Amino acid sequence: DSGVTQTPKHLITATGQRVTLRCSPRSGDLSVYWYQQSLDQGLQFLIQYYNGEERAKGNILERFSAQQFPDLHSELNLSSLELGDSALYFCASSVAPGTANTGELFFGEGSRLTVL
Amino acid sequence: AQKVTQAQTEISVVEKEDVTLDCVYETRDTTYYLFWYKQPPSGELVFLIRRNSFDEQNEISGRYSWNFQKSTSSFNFTITASQVVDSAVYFCALSEAIRGGTSYGKLTFGQGTILTVHP
Repeated sequence: DSGVTQTPKHLITATGQRVTLRCSPRSGDLSVYWYQQSLDQGLQFLIQYYNGEERAKGNILERFSAQQFPDLHSELNLSSLELGDSALYFCASSVAPGTANTGELFFGEGSRLTVL
Repeated sequence: AQKVTQAQTEISVVEKEDVTLDCVYETRDTTYYLFWYKQPPSGELVFLIRRNSFDEQNEISGRYSWNFQKSTSSFNFTITASQVVDSAVYFCALSEAIRGGTSYGKLTFGQGTILTVHP
């Protein structure tokens, strides 16, 4: 158990809909990362938040947005869903930068999104 | 741009065989981290190892060992005496520094190597 909690584990929805994926990082971790794993794109970095602020952006679509709340949990919002958005979405967390374990990511079990 | 190449898409071995998973990376950063993750059929990503770019010592952990060679930009992973439970997808990943080295959590993953160990 990595200590990172993601909900829901599975989600089935229709094209055009909007969903929200939730992530609770490990206790004490300030950074949260979102990754997407799909068959054609593999594992791709989407976005990072650190203590409530956006830190880095990857290949995240404009239809997707994320935020990190004061209690450090994070949500990834996916809107106007398309068939190609079907994927496994991972959240990961890490300790504050500059610490001994900088760079070590702990991944949640993922949220599997199926768009029909 | 960062790039990680895992040339082997699939490997199939019989239990007790040794197997090496190859990983080659590209980066312009002088400081970076290399990782190996395991993704069993259940789907979660399990951290195996992290290696700092300044530390080229090889590492052994039980049946697992890693060979980091900066000169060839490779970070290969060997499983000795493989077992059926080793069957999984293995990912090599490279991190880059964000904001002048304050964070290393943006990972670039290879495409993964599917390892199947037959009894």
